[in-house]
Order: sequence, then C-alpha cells, then structure tokens
Amino acid sequence: GQQLNQSPQSMFIQEGEDVSMNCTSSSIFNTWLWYKQDPGEGPVLLIALYKAGELTSNGRLTAQFGITRKDSFLNISASIPSDVGIYFCAGCNAGGTSYGKLTFGQGTILTVHP
Amino acid sequence: DTAVSQTPKYLVTQMGNDKSIKCEQNLGHDTMYWYKQDSKKFLKIMFSYNNKELIINETVPNRFSPKSPDKAHLNLHINSLELGDSAVYFCASSQEGLAGVHEQFFGPGTRLTVL
Repeated sequence: GQQLNQSPQSMFIQEGEDVSMNCTSSSIFNTWLWYKQDPGEGPVLLIALYKAGELTSNGRLTAQFGITRKDSFLNISASIPSDVGIYFCAGCNAGGTSYGKLTFGQGTILTVHP
Repeated sequence: DTAVSQTPKYLVTQMGNDKSIKCEQNLGHDTMYWYKQDSKKFLKIMFSYNNKELIINETVPNRFSPKSPDKAHLNLHINSLELGDSAVYFCASSQEGLAGVHEQFFGPGTRLTVL
C-alpha cells in the first residue's frame, strides 16, 4: 500500500523562528491535507491542497502540493507557543474505491520554547 | 454545539471484555470513519461508512464491528478485547466536496486501555 514518510520526526525551536516540514510518498496522491493535533484532542484540518504545484496559505501557515504529486511541505512562519503540537500530512486519492481514505504520515512533533 | 462527539472519552477494561464506543456528528455529513492511533501516534483508518453503507474495511480483526444506525452515528463494538487493542480511537466525518475530496473532521478521541 501507499506509505508516507514525514520529516522531521520532531523539532525544538525558539519562539519567532520559522518551521518547515515535509512529506514524501512512494506513489502519487491527488490531494494533500495537513492536520494539527493538540494533546488530548483529535486532529484539526489546517490546509487542503487539490492541484499539483498549488501553494496555499492559512495565516502564518503555507503549504505546497509538489509537482510530482508525491510530496508536500508545510511552513510555519514566526512560530508562537500555541503552535506546539503534532503535525500530520495526509494523502488522499479522491473518488473511486478510495472514497475519502486518508493515508497519514508519522507526524512531526513541534516544541516551541518561549 | 460539538461537531463530532465521542463517548466515552476514557475506557479502561479487562482483557476478554466486550465494549462499545459511540460517535455522533451534527455536521450533516454523509460519510463517517473510525481511526486507530497507536502509542507512537500513528493514525490508521479502520472503517468508513457512507450513508450507513460500509465503504472501507481495512485489515481489522473481525472482533471489531462498526454499526451505523443512521447517517449521523457510527458506533464501534469490540469483542474479546486484547492488550494490543489499547490505543486512542478517533471518529471522523466528511462530506464529498471539491473534486470528490473528503475533508475529514475528527472527534476528540476515546482512549482505550486494556488491562
């Protein structure tokens, strides 16, 4: 089956720094999603990407759908303490028998020091 | 006005017992899911239902049986619980949107501990 490799596994940064994380896949997806999970909560959708090459922003977050459709990255600019959490990428091939099935990366644990 | 809710939040039980986790969504979505998150935080889909019909059934032991009484509910029943079933179980829901994509909304999770 499809596998996603997400890196880095964890990051320790100072408040105000920029952060970058990425996901690569062994095969193509036609949709990429980025989620954030706070402790004791379910994942919350941050950004959804639908087209190869697409660059989308949501506040201080920017994500891109790779041209090959096998990768995506997420940038967080000027990090703040509430950015702490686990960030997951997820790939999806919409339609057909996949019907919304998300394949998740292993997650990136982000720690922000004030 | 919680969008996707699960009960209970915590469940501690003995090996061999049977237990159920309930999920309800008030978003009007037509598709619901169960995911399992292990101790390493890896999230893996178990089941999905669309309009009460089973769509995705990943390689899950048949001790796990989902039941969808209506579009807004998807419950998970687990028979003969084993130690390896200890995990956090997330319910999610979605509605088919742009280009057939399902942006999924997750519940708060149920932490199951099997002793």
